Amino acid sequence: KAGVTQTPRYLIKTRGQQVTLSCSPISGHRSVSWYQQTPGQGLQFLFEYFSETQRNKGNFPGRFSGRQFSNSRSEMNVSTLELGDSALYLCASSKSGTGSTGELFFGEGSRLTVL
Amino acid sequence: AQSVTQLDSHVSVSEGTPVLLRCNYSSSYSPSLFWYVQHPNKGLQLLLKYTSAATLVKGINGFEAEFKKSETSFHLTKPSAHMSDAAEYFCVVSDLVDTNAGKSTFGDGTTLTVKP
Repeated sequence: KAGVTQTPRYLIKTRGQQVTLSCSPISGHRSVSWYQQTPGQGLQFLFEYFSETQRNKGNFPGRFSGRQFSNSRSEMNVSTLELGDSALYLCASSKSGTGSTGELFFGEGSRLTVL
Repeated sequence: AQSVTQLDSHVSVSEGTPVLLRCNYSSSYSPSLFWYVQHPNKGLQLLLKYTSAATLVKGINGFEAEFKKSETSFHLTKPSAHMSDAAEYFCVVSDLVDTNAGKSTFGDGTTLTVKP
């Protein structure tokens, strides 16, 4: 069974640009969560999508957005990039719903550097 | 509401000595508890999980954790540390209601250093 795939793995952008990151969950998983990880702030929850709807949201500005497609693949977008957006962005998928244990399956992450 | 506290932000042990990473939780309902490990620039990997079955849970790479309801703890242990265990470890709680709602609560993480 293929794991969670995140693309691209590494990218460099400049301030003011925007970026789109992609996440393909494990087959059959309908929930996709996104996290930002930085040395200063640690692991922070961005948002979670389930059946194409944003179900949970963390405390991030509106520059951070996401969406989920009918095949459960998800994208997140960051507009007007700031230096502080440099981070490892992690995606996790889970079954969710009845019978789920809550176990999360993580991708390898997308390392974003903003210059 | 649920919360999780990892009591040590950094733990340093010598190779071959025991490892203890501490985690306390609070949860309104019967929780599922997890330990994840993250090596540098990698995603998180599940070490072990407790989902209301046996209270002593064995995971990968020789790690185990014991669910103690009376102490609201889920400490991670390993009898003998290996250099490859150096990583960051996260304790996570998700109760039944929040699991169905897609919510998990992460601890702040514990960085484990293993000295030769």
